[in-house]
Amino acid sequence: AQSVAQPEDQVNVAEGNPLTVKCTYSVSGNPYLFWYVQYPNRGLQFLLKYITGDNLVKGSYGFEAEFNKSQTSFHLKKPSALVSDSALYFCAVRDSGAGSYQLTFGKGTKLSVIP
Amino acid sequence: ETGVTQSPTHLIKTRGQQVTLRCSSQSGHNTVSWYQQALGQGPQFIFQYYREEENGRGNFPPRFSGLQFPNYSSELNVNALELDDSALYLCASSLVSTYEQYFGPGTRLTVT
Repeated sequence: AQSVAQPEDQVNVAEGNPLTVKCTYSVSGNPYLFWYVQYPNRGLQFLLKYITGDNLVKGSYGFEAEFNKSQTSFHLKKPSALVSDSALYFCAVRDSGAGSYQLTFGKGTKLSVIP
Repeated sequence: ETGVTQSPTHLIKTRGQQVTLRCSSQSGHNTVSWYQQALGQGPQFIFQYYREEENGRGNFPPRFSGLQFPNYSSELNVNALELDDSALYLCASSLVSTYEQYFGPGTRLTVT
């Protein structure tokens, strides 16, 4: 079975400050990891993924995430937050050995960037 | 290229009724997945279709069923609606050769 934990329901950060949204995961095999963002009344928008290779992956809108196998974590980061980054962020995992493309999502973290 | 589209946007049904939700995959994508997102929760995997065959199913009862058509569009059917079926239903398409899934805007289903 695969699972994702996002320990913070909400993260508040001042505009211009660095932000981190935390994610830990559990899978039987090697993980494929993803971050998605959801704006109000909208579907999910893909931000970035880790499949293999460099542990630091870069994605859309200046976001990046660091894969840490020993800590089973995949935290989302951005050096300088914008007010427009305020949204709901979801971490998701897929087991690389699984036959289907099932994504398991965390419960989401609401990011509020304060002007 | 066009993105994933879903219809209708909103839907209100009565308990016990049946509903069909529709999804048009992103151009060239051959895999479609359906997710249920209850209020305040992350999306939950319902099932996935590849080449018109179900290719994985989450912890949902058989009254949730689906179809994928040769043009890779898809339907989600839910029979005997229950109040707890009220949620945002998301469709996502992808290519077998890639990893990320691309989501549509969703259909908001309300069961009264």
